[in-house]
Amino acid sequence: GAGVSQTPSNKVTEKGKYVELRCDPISGHTALYWYRQSLGQGPEFLIYFQGTGAADDSGLPNDRFFAVRPEGSVSTLKIQRTERGDSAVYLCASSLGFGTGELFFGEGSRLTVL
Amino acid sequence: SQKIEQNSEALNIQEGKTATLTCNYTNYSPAYLQWYRQDPGRGPVFLLLIRENEKEKRKERLKVTFDTTLKQSLFHITASQPADSATYLCAPRKGGATNKLIFGTGTLLAVQP
Repeated sequence: GAGVSQTPSNKVTEKGKYVELRCDPISGHTALYWYRQSLGQGPEFLIYFQGTGAADDSGLPNDRFFAVRPEGSVSTLKIQRTERGDSAVYLCASSLGFGTGELFFGEGSRLTVL
Repeated sequence: SQKIEQNSEALNIQEGKTATLTCNYTNYSPAYLQWYRQDPGRGPVFLLLIRENEKEKRKERLKVTFDTTLKQSLFHITASQPADSATYLCAPRKGGATNKLIFGTGTLLAVQP
């Protein structure tokens, strides 16, 4: 399809494990965003990329969280030593880049840490 | 720090009435503001954008206002339908080189038939 694709849609893991979440943005979109959403809350900004570089990573909660976008397209959010508090829906969005452009969101990856 | 507040309680209205949702922001001077709709289990979907020099924007049954003095945006849905039931998120944006988009907590709208 032509939309933002996120995998896996659901991930259950144990506390302390390593997790990778993948985002495939809309073709041609240079900006890519990661958000985290807990139940009843709005999306919480984590990081955004312009091309291959992280333009703003001020939302990453701590050094267990890391994201890459090596070729300026697909991005991977990596979480080390997962904790129960990391359980949330992780949303990815892409847009055409700078300016007023709307964000196109994927359906999210639901992470559950037991 | 920047703060965005939306009606924390769910808004219940009768079909056919106008729904009005509020977005207030502080410590912020957004160049424009976006509204999104989110259905359960889905990602947000863009609805409307309004710029700081625009007082009002319309799209079909939707109307958005932007008051930079009050630091507030109002989002109206006229002739509401049960299919309008969803969570609505506002996102004031600084614009320019800062492309980070911060969302409010969202307001859950329930339109009763």
